[in-house]
Amino acid sequence: DGGITQSPKYLFRKEGQNVTLSCEQNLNHDAMYWYRQDPGQGLRLIYYSQIVNDFQKGDIAEGYSVSREKKESFPLTVTSAQKNPTAFYLCASSRQTDIGNTIYFGEGSWLTVV
Amino acid sequence: GENVEQHPSTLSVQEGDSAVIKCTYSDSASNYFPWYKQELGKGPQLIIDIRSNVGEKKDQRIAVTLNKTAKHFSLHITETQPEDSAVYFCAASRNYGQNFVFGPGTRLSVLP
Repeated sequence: DGGITQSPKYLFRKEGQNVTLSCEQNLNHDAMYWYRQDPGQGLRLIYYSQIVNDFQKGDIAEGYSVSREKKESFPLTVTSAQKNPTAFYLCASSRQTDIGNTIYFGEGSWLTVV
Repeated sequence: GENVEQHPSTLSVQEGDSAVIKCTYSDSASNYFPWYKQELGKGPQLIIDIRSNVGEKKDQRIAVTLNKTAKHFSLHITETQPEDSAVYFCAASRNYGQNFVFGPGTRLSVLP
């Protein structure tokens, strides 16, 4: 079954700790993205990667880091430098269709700082 | 850069009625406009999309209309059902899918 798998679904972090959210896709999509969603808010882009071994900062990259060593994987690390990390994190990937470059999302990961 | 506004922020309709959500965008170079439905605690799912050389697209009870001159596009849901209750996001992008900008979302409630 093709799709985007995020893990863990729920994660608790102590202040001062780094945590890594996993994102794996088996859709053979070239581009992958990380978005942050706060309660009742829209989606804000953290990082994106158009190709393996390359990634770009989005609108709110401070306090986050990513890697893209494999086409299928795009992990996000939330570092201790991120002052307000409690949020819902969404990974996405995209493919070119006849209408445009369509984004598909994973099921999300809830991160709570305790 | 692109800015996408979305209205209303919340919408309640009676089951069977129609619902309309409107988005406006600022960048005249935007040419691809998808709509997503997000259920509680889940990731957004693409429900319909349109590109700038088309004025309207339908898929069963869902339709999207685009007015390039006025720089707005709308989602129309007819014969609403309780399972249509969710948050709906619009988005705009240039180059048919680069650098998506999302609207803030509309919470739709369909009352039985």
